[in-house]
Amino acid sequence: IAGITQAPTSQILAAGRRMTLRCTQDMRHNAMYWYRQDLGLGLRLIHYSNTAGTTGKGEVPDGYSVSRANTDDFPLTLASAVPSQTSVYFCASTQGNTGELFFGEGSRLTVL
Amino acid sequence: GQNIDQPTEMTATEGAIVQINCTYQTSGFNGLFWYQQHAGEAPTFLSYNVLDGLEEKGRFSSFLSRSKGYSYLLLKELQMKDSASYLCAVLDSNYQLIWGAGTKLIIKP
Repeated sequence: IAGITQAPTSQILAAGRRMTLRCTQDMRHNAMYWYRQDLGLGLRLIHYSNTAGTTGKGEVPDGYSVSRANTDDFPLTLASAVPSQTSVYFCASTQGNTGELFFGEGSRLTVL
Repeated sequence: GQNIDQPTEMTATEGAIVQINCTYQTSGFNGLFWYQQHAGEAPTFLSYNVLDGLEEKGRFSSFLSRSKGYSYLLLKELQMKDSASYLCAVLDSNYQLIWGAGTKLIIKP
C-alpha cells in the first residue's frame, strides 16, 4: 500500500442495504476525512477524525457513521442506503491541522 | 454563512495564459489552497497561500489578498494536460477546509 487506498472503487447498491466504504492510509497521518462530491456542489465533508479514537461530524453527516479504531483505518458506513446518497466518496488524510490533503482514488456509489 | 465563489467553467487556448479567480467569505482564515482534479480522478494539491502576495511554482502561480477575500490561480504556457477542474479551498478558524464548487478548465488546441 502506498498512500491512501479506498475500496470498493465502484458499487451499485439497492436502497435500504447497509454498505461500508473502506479507507486505509500508510502515511501515519493523524487526521482523516470523508467527503462526498456531487456535480456542481463541490466537496462536502461528511465526517472527520483528528486522531485515532476520536471522530466528528462534518457538513452532511446524516445517514453516515464512521469509526477510527486505529491510525490507519477510517471506514464509512451507510446504515440504510437511500438514492440521495448516490455520489462519489473521497477519503483523505493529512498530518496536523493543514489543508494539504492526500486523497484516495474515490468510491463511486450508486443507490437504486 | 461560509461561501467560496469561483467560475463554473473557463476555456483557453494551448500555449496561452489563464487566470482562475476565487473569492471567499469564511469564519476565520488559516490559509487558501488550490487543488487540481482531472476528470474521474482524485484532487491533488497545487498551492498554498497564507500571506498576501504571489507564490510561484513553475508554470503555476497563486495570489492572495486577505483584505479583499480574493485569490487567483495563474496558469502559463497552457498544455492540453492542464484540462481539469481547479478547486479553491479555505482553511477556516476551526481548521476545516471549506471548498468551492470548482472551475472546469477546457484547453483547446
